[in-house]
Amino acid sequence: EVQLVQSGAEVKKPGESLRISCKGSGYSFTSNWITWVRQMPGKGLEWMGRIDPSDSYTNYSPSFQGHVTISGDKSINTAYLQWSSLKASDTAMYFCARHRGGNGDGMDVWGQGTTVTVAS
Amino acid sequence: SYELTQPPSVSVSPGQTASITCSGDKLGDKYACWYQQKPGQSPVLVIYQDSKRPSGIPERFSGSNSGNAATLTISETQAMDEADYYCQAWDSSTVGVFGGGTKLTVL
Repeated sequence: EVQLVQSGAEVKKPGESLRISCKGSGYSFTSNWITWVRQMPGKGLEWMGRIDPSDSYTNYSPSFQGHVTISGDKSINTAYLQWSSLKASDTAMYFCARHRGGNGDGMDVWGQGTTVTVAS
Repeated sequence: SYELTQPPSVSVSPGQTASITCSGDKLGDKYACWYQQKPGQSPVLVIYQDSKRPSGIPERFSGSNSGNAATLTISETQAMDEADYYCQAWDSSTVGVFGGGTKLTVL
């Protein structure tokens, strides 16, 4: 079964660092881009950025560039999303998703989501 | 930056046809995808490349895209189709963007 399994919920304080993960299985992990998507409480989906797991090349939305870092480790089929200094406004659900193929092909496999809560 | 605009809500009676639009500058020149998200669940891809359905998606889901708008059409709408729907396209070849989402109510 093709799946993406994300790390568990996190509760952090403002200013703390955090890295969440997304592990792929059931397919060739390096064959498909992985995108990260934010969903703030009660709000819509926001495209954050993506990584090509084969070479860790990344693209970012201007809205998130410089605020988060996307990385990966193809040896363990895992992509990461990390923050160096969290803010309360980072409180959200974060999804990773696999690209089917080219840009127009959409994202066909999604992780279960990781809830990040940032509060003092 | 590129923006995609969706109506916040659409209502439809069971068995009728629901249409959800997604507007963006020259959107017809790009590929559009559509996602369904039910409360507490991860999104599900229902349309890609404007009008193609992934395996497992019912035939009652269809899509089109031309000019400045893409449309998701759900024929013979069922109660189980009640969800939030998001369109998605690409600002450039490297930056994706979602529409604001549309809440479909089946009543």
